[in-house]
Amino acid sequence: DGGITQSPKYLFRKEGQNVTLSCEQNLNHDAMYWYRQDPGQGLRLIYYSQIVNDFQKGDIAEGYSVSREKKESFPLTVTSAQKNPTAFYLCASSLSLNTGELFFGEGSRLTVL
Amino acid sequence: DQQVKQNSPSLSVQEGRISILNCDYTNSMFDYFLWYKKYPAEGPTFLISISSIKDKNEDGRFTVFLNKSAKHLSLHIVPSQPGDSAVYFCAASAGNNNDMRFGAGTRLTVKP
Repeated sequence: DGGITQSPKYLFRKEGQNVTLSCEQNLNHDAMYWYRQDPGQGLRLIYYSQIVNDFQKGDIAEGYSVSREKKESFPLTVTSAQKNPTAFYLCASSLSLNTGELFFGEGSRLTVL
Repeated sequence: DQQVKQNSPSLSVQEGRISILNCDYTNSMFDYFLWYKKYPAEGPTFLISISSIKDKNEDGRFTVFLNKSAKHLSLHIVPSQPGDSAVYFCAASAGNNNDMRFGAGTRLTVKP
């Protein structure tokens, strides 16, 4: 059945290390997104991609990088430049950038030790 | 800046009663509003939406009301069921999904 798969669900990182979170979808959606959730706050957009080989910064892109080499995949790298990386990360997709409803993965919780 | 606010972090209701979850927004350019539901260890799932040309949208036990002049929307669940216990997120957008803004969520507990 179709959906979005994020991995890993839990990840621990030492300060100074880069980590990559995986996001794969088999919904044939053009648009994909990465959000960050912190306690007491709404989801905040990190990066989004409207189509393969294209991506744009969201509201809090500093310290993150992405790639969109395949339609199905939109990995997020949390770099050592991200000052406060401990958070819950959600990947989402939609049919296109303006179709409204987002489909979310189960999330990845990153903890920096 | 929080353009979408859910001021109640939690809500508890008895099974069979009405649950009312509230959401306020500040950006008058928002024209599409959504509610998502999230169970523990799962991603949020879309529940119901409303466009700014309407003031009410109903889907079974779920109804969303939009008051544009007050910049307020609410989700009514009638009757509430224990399976409705989850975190509910309100979201608003101004055309494209990259403009979508989310509230912090309200945790609903429906007691049997």
